[in-house]
Amino acid sequence: DTAVSQTPKYLVTQMGNDKSIKCEQNLGHDTMYWYKQDSKKFLKIMFSYNNKELIINETVPNRFSPKSPDKAHLNLHINSLELGDSAVYFCASSLVPTGPFYEQYFGPGTRLTVT
Amino acid sequence: KQEVTQIPAALSVPEGENLVLNCSFTDSAIYNLQWFRQDPGKGLTSLLLIQSSQREQTSGRLNASLDKSSGRSTLYIAASQPGDSATYLCAVSGGGNKLTFGTGTQLKVEL
Repeated sequence: DTAVSQTPKYLVTQMGNDKSIKCEQNLGHDTMYWYKQDSKKFLKIMFSYNNKELIINETVPNRFSPKSPDKAHLNLHINSLELGDSAVYFCASSLVPTGPFYEQYFGPGTRLTVT
Repeated sequence: KQEVTQIPAALSVPEGENLVLNCSFTDSAIYNLQWFRQDPGKGLTSLLLIQSSQREQTSGRLNASLDKSSGRSTLYIAASQPGDSATYLCAVSGGGNKLTFGTGTQLKVEL
């Protein structure tokens, strides 16, 4: 199947731990994103990578570090997890976003629960 | 700073009704607008993308319109079905590759 995939789907961990979420797309896209959906269901962009280069870095704590080993993968590593990090994290991808023609495709999400 | 608002926040209708979901945005300098559907516990499915130069897009029972100058978009769903129950999100793309999402409309279509 051609798609954006994320692992794991669910992640339950304790405060202070370090965890990673993986994302892969086989759509041949150049650009990948991480979004956070909070408890009120509001979706907000965190990072964007284009050909392994960081393009967007919103106001996100330094504990969050995206890593792109190649343009088909964008992983999210989180250090020293806090209760407020509990959310659903979505990965997305698109072609190079030049002008009005690009469309973002989303993965199924990873529900992170920090206890 | 772009802000996107969706009205209503929640909507419950009987099956078969035609309905309209509204989306407004504060900065009209957008490249495109996308409507998404999100089912509980699932990811986002793109429904329609309207480029900034377009006025509307149609897909099956869905029709989305865009009035860029007034900062508004509507999603029209014809002959609603229980399977249409989901949260509908609109998102606008401004400079670069950043999508700004709206607050969502939670739709329930009842038998």
